[in-house]
Amino acid sequence: GAGVSQSPSNKVTEKGKDVELRCDPISGHTALYWYRQSLGQGLEFLIYFQGNSAPDKSGLPSDRFSAERTGGSVSTLTIQRTQQEDSAVYLCASSLMNTEAFFGQGTRLTVV
Amino acid sequence: KQEVTQIPAALSVPEGENLVLNCSFTDSAIYNLQWFRQDPGKGLTSLLLIQSSQREQTSGRLNASLDKSSGRSTLYIAASQPGDSATYLCAVRGDYKLSFGAGTTVTVRA
Repeated sequence: GAGVSQSPSNKVTEKGKDVELRCDPISGHTALYWYRQSLGQGLEFLIYFQGNSAPDKSGLPSDRFSAERTGGSVSTLTIQRTQQEDSAVYLCASSLMNTEAFFGQGTRLTVV
Repeated sequence: KQEVTQIPAALSVPEGENLVLNCSFTDSAIYNLQWFRQDPGKGLTSLLLIQSSQREQTSGRLNASLDKSSGRSTLYIAASQPGDSATYLCAVRGDYKLSFGAGTTVTVRA
Protein backbone atom coordinates (compact mmCIF):
# COMPACT_ATOMS: atom_id res chain seq x y z
CA GLY A 1 0.00 0.00 0.00
CA ALA A 2 0.89 3.66 -0.10
CA GLY A 3 1.60 3.95 3.60
CA VAL A 4 1.66 2.03 6.87
CA SER A 5 -1.81 0.83 7.73
CA GLN A 6 -2.96 -0.10 11.24
CA SER A 7 -6.19 -1.70 12.32
CA PRO A 8 -8.39 -1.23 14.15
CA SER A 9 -8.04 2.54 14.58
CA ASN A 10 -9.86 2.33 17.92
CA LYS A 11 -10.41 -0.58 20.25
CA VAL A 12 -12.33 -0.65 23.51
CA THR A 13 -11.97 -3.85 25.48
CA GLU A 14 -12.86 -5.12 28.90
CA LYS A 15 -10.16 -5.74 31.43
CA GLY A 16 -8.92 -9.32 31.20
CA LYS A 17 -9.73 -9.80 27.51
CA ASP A 18 -7.13 -10.45 24.82
CA VAL A 19 -6.64 -8.03 21.93
CA GLU A 20 -4.84 -8.19 18.60
CA LEU A 21 -3.51 -5.14 16.83
CA ARG A 22 -2.51 -5.33 13.19
CA CYS A 23 0.11 -3.49 11.17
CA ASP A 24 0.53 -3.55 7.38
CA PRO A 25 3.91 -1.99 6.56
CA ILE A 26 4.93 -0.30 3.35
CA SER A 27 5.56 -2.96 0.72
CA GLY A 28 9.22 -3.98 0.60
CA HIS A 29 10.13 -2.50 3.98
CA THR A 30 12.20 -5.04 5.86
CA ALA A 31 12.22 -3.31 9.24
CA LEU A 32 9.08 -2.99 11.34
CA TYR A 33 8.70 -1.37 14.76
CA TRP A 34 6.03 -1.18 17.43
CA TYR A 35 5.90 1.75 19.82
CA ARG A 36 3.46 2.74 22.54
CA GLN A 37 2.40 6.25 23.45
CA SER A 38 0.54 6.73 26.69
CA LEU A 39 -1.51 9.88 27.32
CA GLY A 40 0.82 12.85 27.51
CA GLN A 41 3.89 10.62 27.37
CA GLY A 42 6.66 10.07 24.88
CA LEU A 43 7.08 7.12 22.55
CA GLU A 44 8.07 3.87 24.23
CA PHE A 45 9.84 1.27 22.10
CA LEU A 46 8.24 -2.19 22.24
CA ILE A 47 9.74 -4.46 19.59
CA TYR A 48 11.72 -4.45 16.35
CA PHE A 49 11.46 -6.90 13.45
CA GLN A 50 13.97 -7.42 10.68
CA GLY A 51 12.17 -9.61 8.19
CA ASN A 52 10.25 -12.17 10.25
CA SER A 53 12.66 -12.29 13.15
CA ALA A 54 12.61 -10.06 16.21
CA PRO A 55 16.19 -9.39 17.33
CA ASP A 56 15.02 -6.93 19.95
CA LYS A 57 11.98 -7.61 22.12
CA SER A 58 13.43 -5.73 25.05
CA GLY A 59 10.67 -3.13 25.18
CA LEU A 60 7.77 -5.52 25.68
CA PRO A 61 6.42 -4.54 29.14
CA SER A 62 5.49 -8.05 30.31
CA ASP A 63 4.95 -11.59 29.11
CA ARG A 64 1.33 -10.65 28.37
CA PHE A 65 2.66 -8.88 25.29
CA SER A 66 3.77 -10.76 22.19
CA ALA A 67 4.21 -9.97 18.53
CA GLU A 68 4.80 -11.82 15.33
CA ARG A 69 5.46 -10.99 11.73
CA THR A 70 4.70 -13.29 8.84
CA GLY A 71 5.91 -13.29 5.26
CA GLY A 72 8.14 -10.34 6.01
CA SER A 73 5.03 -8.20 5.90
CA VAL A 74 2.04 -8.02 8.25
CA SER A 75 2.67 -7.89 11.97
CA THR A 76 0.31 -8.58 14.86
CA LEU A 77 0.80 -7.31 18.40
CA THR A 78 -1.16 -9.37 20.91
CA ILE A 79 -1.93 -8.31 24.46
CA GLN A 80 -3.32 -11.02 26.71
CA ARG A 81 -5.40 -10.43 29.82
CA THR A 82 -5.48 -6.67 29.23
CA GLN A 83 -5.06 -4.29 32.15
CA GLN A 84 -6.10 -0.66 32.46
CA GLU A 85 -2.45 0.44 32.30
CA ASP A 86 -2.31 -1.04 28.78
CA SER A 87 -4.54 1.81 27.58
CA ALA A 88 -2.47 3.81 25.09
CA VAL A 89 -1.95 4.49 21.41
CA TYR A 90 0.02 1.70 19.75
CA LEU A 91 2.04 2.90 16.78
CA CYS A 92 3.68 0.86 14.06
CA ALA A 93 6.45 2.04 11.76
CA SER A 94 8.34 0.53 8.87
CA SER A 95 11.49 1.33 6.95
CA LEU A 96 14.19 -0.08 4.77
CA MET A 97 17.30 -0.84 6.80
CA ASN A 98 18.42 2.34 8.60
CA THR A 99 16.50 4.69 6.34
CA GLU A 100 13.50 6.97 6.78
CA ALA A 101 10.83 5.47 9.03
CA PHE A 102 7.15 5.90 8.28
CA PHE A 103 4.45 5.56 10.90
CA GLY A 104 0.87 4.43 10.73
CA GLN A 105 -2.00 6.36 12.30
CA GLY A 106 -2.00 4.15 15.36
CA THR A 107 -4.50 2.06 17.26
CA ARG A 108 -6.05 3.71 20.30
CA LEU A 109 -6.63 1.00 22.89
CA THR A 110 -8.91 1.67 25.82
CA VAL A 111 -9.25 -0.95 28.55
CA VAL A 112 -12.35 -0.51 30.69
CA LYS B 1 21.46 3.83 26.40
CA GLN B 2 20.61 6.72 24.09
CA GLU B 3 18.90 9.64 25.82
CA VAL B 4 17.17 12.26 23.68
CA THR B 5 16.13 15.63 25.08
CA GLN B 6 14.03 18.30 23.41
CA ILE B 7 13.96 21.88 24.60
CA PRO B 8 11.71 23.74 25.04
CA ALA B 9 8.81 21.45 25.93
CA ALA B 10 6.34 24.03 24.64
CA LEU B 11 6.53 27.16 22.53
CA SER B 12 3.97 29.79 21.58
CA VAL B 13 4.74 32.34 18.88
CA PRO B 14 2.81 34.85 16.76
CA GLU B 15 2.25 34.02 13.13
CA GLY B 16 5.17 34.92 10.90
CA GLU B 17 7.86 34.39 13.52
CA ASN B 18 10.62 31.87 12.89
CA LEU B 19 10.66 28.75 15.06
CA VAL B 20 13.77 27.13 16.52
CA LEU B 21 13.40 23.67 18.06
CA ASN B 22 16.30 21.93 19.76
CA CYS B 23 17.17 18.27 20.14
CA SER B 24 20.15 16.81 21.98
CA PHE B 25 21.32 13.21 22.29
CA THR B 26 23.91 11.49 24.44
CA ASP B 27 25.43 8.87 22.12
CA SER B 28 26.97 10.27 18.94
CA ALA B 29 27.19 6.82 17.28
CA ILE B 30 24.08 7.29 15.16
CA TYR B 31 23.04 6.38 11.64
CA ASN B 32 20.63 9.25 11.18
CA LEU B 33 18.24 11.65 12.87
CA GLN B 34 14.65 12.16 11.86
CA TRP B 35 12.22 14.98 12.67
CA PHE B 36 8.51 14.18 12.90
CA ARG B 37 5.34 16.14 13.37
CA GLN B 38 2.40 14.82 15.38
CA ASP B 39 -1.05 16.39 15.34
CA PRO B 40 -3.41 15.66 18.25
CA GLY B 41 -4.83 12.14 18.06
CA LYS B 42 -2.81 11.33 14.96
CA GLY B 43 0.24 9.31 14.02
CA LEU B 44 3.67 10.71 13.22
CA THR B 45 4.44 12.43 9.93
CA SER B 46 8.06 12.40 8.78
CA LEU B 47 9.42 15.88 8.08
CA LEU B 48 13.14 15.49 7.47
CA LEU B 49 15.79 12.79 7.66
CA ILE B 50 19.43 13.75 8.16
CA GLN B 51 22.07 11.07 7.63
CA SER B 52 24.96 11.04 10.09
CA SER B 53 27.32 12.24 7.35
CA GLN B 54 25.20 15.30 6.58
CA ARG B 55 25.27 18.70 8.29
CA GLU B 56 21.84 19.88 7.23
CA GLN B 57 18.72 19.07 5.26
CA THR B 58 16.09 21.40 3.84
CA SER B 59 12.50 20.97 2.75
CA GLY B 60 10.48 24.06 1.91
CA ARG B 61 10.27 26.27 5.01
CA LEU B 62 11.98 23.61 7.13
CA ASN B 63 15.69 23.34 7.72
CA ALA B 64 17.34 20.88 10.06
CA SER B 65 20.97 20.90 11.12
CA LEU B 66 22.99 18.13 12.72
CA ASP B 67 26.17 18.38 14.78
CA LYS B 68 26.85 14.75 15.53
CA SER B 69 30.02 15.32 17.54
CA SER B 70 28.25 17.57 20.01
CA GLY B 71 25.03 15.54 19.94
CA ARG B 72 22.73 18.28 18.75
CA SER B 73 20.17 18.96 16.05
CA THR B 74 18.06 22.03 15.43
CA LEU B 75 14.88 22.31 13.41
CA TYR B 76 14.15 25.75 11.96
CA ILE B 77 10.71 26.61 10.62
CA ALA B 78 10.62 29.87 8.73
CA ALA B 79 7.66 32.26 8.70
CA SER B 80 5.45 30.16 10.96
CA GLN B 81 1.76 29.68 10.19
CA PRO B 82 -1.15 28.55 12.40
CA GLY B 83 -1.10 25.26 10.50
CA ASP B 84 2.37 24.61 11.91
CA SER B 85 0.81 24.14 15.36
CA ALA B 86 1.63 20.57 16.40
CA THR B 87 4.07 18.55 18.48
CA TYR B 88 7.49 18.11 16.91
CA LEU B 89 9.52 15.03 17.78
CA CYS B 90 13.10 14.20 17.01
CA ALA B 91 14.27 10.61 16.81
CA VAL B 92 17.80 9.29 16.70
CA ARG B 93 18.57 5.97 15.07
CA GLY B 94 21.35 3.86 16.54
CA ASP B 95 21.83 0.26 15.36
CA TYR B 96 18.22 0.06 14.28
CA LYS B 97 16.09 1.46 17.08
CA LEU B 98 14.63 4.96 16.94
CA SER B 99 15.01 6.73 20.28
CA PHE B 100 12.60 9.62 20.70
CA GLY B 101 12.61 12.84 22.60
CA ALA B 102 9.48 13.90 24.49
CA GLY B 103 8.68 16.53 21.86
CA THR B 104 8.13 20.27 21.62
CA THR B 105 4.51 21.40 21.42
CA VAL B 106 4.24 24.45 19.17
CA THR B 107 1.35 26.90 19.07
CA VAL B 108 1.33 29.54 16.35
CA ARG B 109 -1.09 32.36 17.19
CA ALA B 110 -2.95 34.01 14.31
